Amino acid sequence: GAVVSQHPSRVICKSGTSVKIECRSLDFQATTMFWYRQFPKQSLMLMATSNEGSKATYEQGVEKDKFLINHASLTLSTLTVTSAHPEDSSFYICSARQRNHEQYFGPGTRLTVT
Amino acid sequence: GEDVEQSLFLSVREGDSSVINCTYTDSSSTYLYWYKQEPGAGLQLLTYIFSNMDMKQDQRLTVLLNKKDKHLSLRIADTQTGDSAIYFCAERIPGQAGTALIFGKGTTLSVSS
Repeated sequence: GAVVSQHPSRVICKSGTSVKIECRSLDFQATTMFWYRQFPKQSLMLMATSNEGSKATYEQGVEKDKFLINHASLTLSTLTVTSAHPEDSSFYICSARQRNHEQYFGPGTRLTVT
Repeated sequence: GEDVEQSLFLSVREGDSSVINCTYTDSSSTYLYWYKQEPGAGLQLLTYIFSNMDMKQDQRLTVLLNKKDKHLSLRIADTQTGDSAIYFCAERIPGQAGTALIFGKGTTLSVSS
């Protein structure tokens, strides 16, 4: 099956700093990428949907100025958590999809803000 | 609105069958999925079923769909300790290109030897 990678897998940062998470589709071109957030023992919450070359569509309640998403190419999307706070600590998972194909999920990035 | 419900926990013995249940509300769902998540890892697609199917079997996995009751189940035959994980049911709603999936809260399967 298709492979999606995320980098880094784990990051610890200080409050107030910004963190960038990368999501790559390794063997296919992803017309759409999704960013999810997962709290402990909770389901995945969709944060935003991004199509290559256009602005991301954010779900209600997700601050677009705090969670910056860039989908600059068909194989790369980045999520930047700006001015991170401890409440932003979470497991962030991306998924990538070709047109009319299934979504493939990355392995996730564990963010801890101290 | 869209909502996917699952029971939170299931505990079985090794070698038994596991049945994980899921209900959904949106009758326009086109595909329904089962994902597996092991601790600290991303989601692994296990299987999926198209909404006009009643049953799909793939090795130890059997998916049953009752579209009238909006009920989906995943049966794992001969459950092994390696099957211990969280299982998520998800539905895909038709709409704009790029529509995301709606996930349930996940069922934690615990397999004891």
